[in-house]
Amino acid sequence: GGIITQTPKFLIGQEGQKLTLKCQQNFNHDTMYWYRQDSGKGLRLIYYSITENDLQKGDLSEGYDASREKKSSFSLTVTSAQKNEMAVFLCASSIYLGAYEQYFGPGTRLTVL
Amino acid sequence: GQQVQQSPASLVLQEGENAELQCNFSSTATRLQWFYQRPGGSLVSLLYNPSGTKHTGRLTSTTVTKERRSSLHISSSQTTDSGTYFCAMEANSGTYQRFGTGTKLQVVP
Repeated sequence: GGIITQTPKFLIGQEGQKLTLKCQQNFNHDTMYWYRQDSGKGLRLIYYSITENDLQKGDLSEGYDASREKKSSFSLTVTSAQKNEMAVFLCASSIYLGAYEQYFGPGTRLTVL
Repeated sequence: GQQVQQSPASLVLQEGENAELQCNFSSTATRLQWFYQRPGGSLVSLLYNPSGTKHTGRLTSTTVTKERRSSLHISSSQTTDSGTYFCAMEANSGTYQRFGTGTKLQVVP
């Protein structure tokens, strides 16, 4: 079996600060995703990447950048942290974009002071 | 854009009761999946069911594509079933899934 790890587990930043979240997977999956989950709500897709060096915008990409430097890792940058984007950020991967099985990481909880 | 609505938003059951969760979507789904998130945890896939009826353990999902709805039935609920259930659908092949708003289930002893 494989695993998805996200670092850090908790991220605290100041308003306006640039913050980076990291995700690693050892499934050897082609596609990776970043979702944002606001408290008590569903998931919204921020960015996804079909393969290494590919980047696609989701429904909530404004205010974020992403980077897929290698197949196993996918980073998300909050370009200027705002209090209203305190949420849990979930990384996921699937063998390819149309594959039904998506595996999720444990999440990074972002707090903005 | 695509909308995925779930109902009820929350549900409290006595252990042993059955649960019926609903998912409605605004466009025809080519892919429909149910996920579970335990409190404070990450998501796991429960069932992939783009059409028809699928079973796994105490879970049964029925998707009626032309009516743009899917349901998840949990029989003989247990306290360990507590958590949030999400449906996610993909409108066109090769695009990404969109998640519903979730149903928070609490099963009490």
